[in-house]
Amino acid sequence: DIQMTQSPSSLSASVGDRITITCRASQGIIDYLAWYQQKPGKAPKSLIYDASTLQTGAPSRFSGSGSGTDFTLTVSGLQPEDFGTYYCQQYKNYPFTFGGGTKVEI
Amino acid sequence: EVQLLDSGGGLVQTGGSLRLSCVASGFTFYNYAMAWVRQAPGKGLAWVSSISGSGGATFYADSVRGRFTISRDNSKNTLSLHMDSLRAEDTAVYYCAKYSRSGSYYDFASWGQGALVTVSS
Repeated sequence: DIQMTQSPSSLSASVGDRITITCRASQGIIDYLAWYQQKPGKAPKSLIYDASTLQTGAPSRFSGSGSGTDFTLTVSGLQPEDFGTYYCQQYKNYPFTFGGGTKVEI
Repeated sequence: EVQLLDSGGGLVQTGGSLRLSCVASGFTFYNYAMAWVRQAPGKGLAWVSSISGSGGATFYADSVRGRFTISRDNSKNTLSLHMDSLRAEDTAVYYCAKYSRSGSYYDFASWGQGALVTVSS
């Protein structure tokens, strides 16, 4: 199975900050990577797919980059509504696997 | 607008069975593969099972293979997950999820609201 490792596991930032979350795959996954945001008690929401494509309806302050094994999610200009937990997910091979999550506190 | 409505969760004894359902609307259901993803209390997300648009191909995580069965009824736009021999470690919120692109198994573009399954002795 492909292991997905996210860092940091949590972070605290202020409104307007630029934050970066990293995700590392245990083997190359090309660009078969997605990012999701989840708020407490709610279902995840898709932000980014194919490593860098913004999902329809996701705010443009979210961006993704990377290929192979190393990926990043950047939020440029953090907003109060951006609190929550962020997960990366690989879909190169079954079983599809998720990172452990990064909890963002404002 | 895509909508996925999960139902069927509840409290079940260890070794028991439960059936989850997900009613889909807002898209051409049979064109899309679907999946179940679960989240144990306070934990991260874990893929459980997927099924092709026709229902002819199914995939399972090792932890549930042989105990869970995914199925779909395209005439009723409904996805199901039948869970047998339930264990305490199956306790989780189960989300129905729609793959993003027709005919493919890529990322999950839409999610249901989740159904809580609690397995207890």
